[in-house]
Amino acid sequence: GAGVSQSPSNKVTEKGKDVELRCDPISGHTALYWYRQSLGQGLEFLIYFQGNSAPDKSGLPSDRFSAERTGGSVSTLTIQRTQQEDSAVYLCASSSQGGAGNTIYFGEGSWLTVV
Amino acid sequence: RKEVEQDPGPFNVPEGATVAFNCTYSNSASQSFFWYRQDCRKEPKLLMSVYSSGNEDGRFTAQLNRASQYISLLIRDSKLSDSATYLCVVLRGGSYIPTFGRGTSLIVHP
Repeated sequence: GAGVSQSPSNKVTEKGKDVELRCDPISGHTALYWYRQSLGQGLEFLIYFQGNSAPDKSGLPSDRFSAERTGGSVSTLTIQRTQQEDSAVYLCASSSQGGAGNTIYFGEGSWLTVV
Repeated sequence: RKEVEQDPGPFNVPEGATVAFNCTYSNSASQSFFWYRQDCRKEPKLLMSVYSSGNEDGRFTAQLNRASQYISLLIRDSKLSDSATYLCVVLRGGSYIPTFGRGTSLIVHP
């Protein structure tokens, strides 16, 4: 595909359940980001992958959150034991490489609602 | 102090008006700057990069003031379709992680 692809686009889950969100970056992009955006709020950085390097996990809000990126391409963000405050849109983005001068392109997001 | 700060607005302007937003950043080591546009319930999309010398793209002009640590976005001849939230994005030198401001909401009315 031409752009960043995310799935599911919408997910409603019960409190305490685990969820997995998938991101397929633009082909050839080595940098991949996860952000989340709560209603009316700004984008909150979660995690950054660059090639085969160890990810920067400094933005993950708790140990219930984890992410992996297999084969330098597709990434999965996992939220365990979901809480209502996890409700947000989770945005994945990619760029040809991280750093200055590289535009990042966002997917349409996965809208998560925890009930 | 937040790393990137923006007036949330909303800025409510008539069609044809000129409107300007500022964004301040706290880290003097910041090196790259961008404006993104986000429509309601949509993903952010790059509007324009901000260069040291300033840059213009049609009705949009972006400027950087390093001494005062702010960037600006000027929109001339506003259109209804310009209604959106404008996000200021800053990348610190040596960092790979862009920091987003909370955005400034623009509403252009007939």
